[in-house]
Amino acid sequence: ETAVFQTPNYHVTQVGNEVSFNCKQTLGHDTMYWYKQDSKKLLKIMFSYNNKQLIVNETVPRRFSPQSSDKAHLNLRIKSVEPEDSAVYLCASSSRDPHNYAEQFFGPGTRLTVL
Amino acid sequence: SQLAEENPWALSVHEGESVTVNCSYKTSITALQWYRQKSGEGPAQLILIRSNEREKRNGRLRATLDTSSQSSSLSITATRCEDTAVYFCASSSSFSKLVFGQGTSLSVVP
Repeated sequence: ETAVFQTPNYHVTQVGNEVSFNCKQTLGHDTMYWYKQDSKKLLKIMFSYNNKQLIVNETVPRRFSPQSSDKAHLNLRIKSVEPEDSAVYLCASSSRDPHNYAEQFFGPGTRLTVL
Repeated sequence: SQLAEENPWALSVHEGESVTVNCSYKTSITALQWYRQKSGEGPAQLILIRSNEREKRNGRLRATLDTSSQSSSLSITATRCEDTAVYFCASSSSFSKLVFGQGTSLSVVP
């Protein structure tokens, strides 16, 4: 099956803990993304990763860091989570296209709840 | 402020009716994409309409693009309960990230 896979589906943790989310795509794409979706469904890009080049959204706090072992995997680590980190984290991938015509394929998301 | 914005924020229709979601964007674009997100799933692309196109169809879906007014619309005819979802427009520009609006929540009731 070709798709974007994310684990875990849900994660509940306490303030100050560290969490890691995994994302793998089997679509053969060379660009991957992490988005944060808040309770109002607003989607904000956090990172994009292409050919080992990381592009960071400057509004992302430094406690967030992406980790990539190869172009099919892009994990997300959050050091010392805070209550405002509660959200759904969506991973996506696309083929590289400078005009941004490329469709982005999304995983099902990881719902993080910070108590 | 958002660079892409849908309206209305939410709407409800009866099965079989037609519905239109509107989108306004604020930057020069290469394309406008429409995505649908069902509950518990990630968004999935419905239609991509390039800046030199005025209309695109995909089955019961029809998207329009007016670059002079920086607006787009997505129409769904003969709606079904399974069309219940959040609909996003996303603006594309060269060498730049895809920018999503805040979404329109559509509820199709029997």
